[in-house]
Amino acid sequence: QQPVQSPQAVILREGEDAVINCSSSKALYSVHWYRQKHGEAPVFLMILLKGGEQKGHEKISASFNEKKQQSSLYLTASQLSYSGTYFCGTENTGNQFYFGTGTSLTVIP
Amino acid sequence: EPEVTQTPSHQVTQMGQEVILRCVPISNHLYFYWYRQILGQKVEFLVSFYNNEISEKSEIFDDQFSVERPDGSNFTLKIRSTKLEDSAMYFCASRTGASYEQYFGPGTRLTVT
Repeated sequence: QQPVQSPQAVILREGEDAVINCSSSKALYSVHWYRQKHGEAPVFLMILLKGGEQKGHEKISASFNEKKQQSSLYLTASQLSYSGTYFCGTENTGNQFYFGTGTSLTVIP
Repeated sequence: EPEVTQTPSHQVTQMGQEVILRCVPISNHLYFYWYRQILGQKVEFLVSFYNNEISEKSEIFDDQFSVERPDGSNFTLKIRSTKLEDSAMYFCASRTGASYEQYFGPGTRLTVT
């Protein structure tokens, strides 16, 4: 039930855009996005609950497809501070939370 | 701003010893979680706790693990007999009943020698 993310790693130059995908073989109850910087705890970015939902947070936004089996995180005009590992995750109705496989994002000057 | 705190920040223990990792969730939060992250790997769910009982636990959370909320503020994870493979960063998280946003503590790095 663990979501699968792609790509595993991406390197960007400042100002470039990136897309991180999160897929599941079954419909997800919800999809959460977290960012974890090296040596730190994960930090919540956003949650999507409804199929077809899109949500934005500054220059970071996400979508959840109609079937609720795929979510994408969009990072536009990347900044050095965007570097970290991005995890999608999902919580089932029993409060069991699964993190995705993670995507390492490195932004270079 | 309220935050989740964890103690100790780093614990070194010998194989076979018991360890207790402590967390103080945000005071009005109702759901509590423990996660584990082996160095360089993904964050793995261990257990969720609500209304003074375990809601869900993963296959990692075997009989060697237990959780308690003994006094309404602390939330503890106990590992009865540690193994080398228990070496990891352990994160506590909590959330309210109205939002799915989980707030993570800074973690406890457990090293089993």
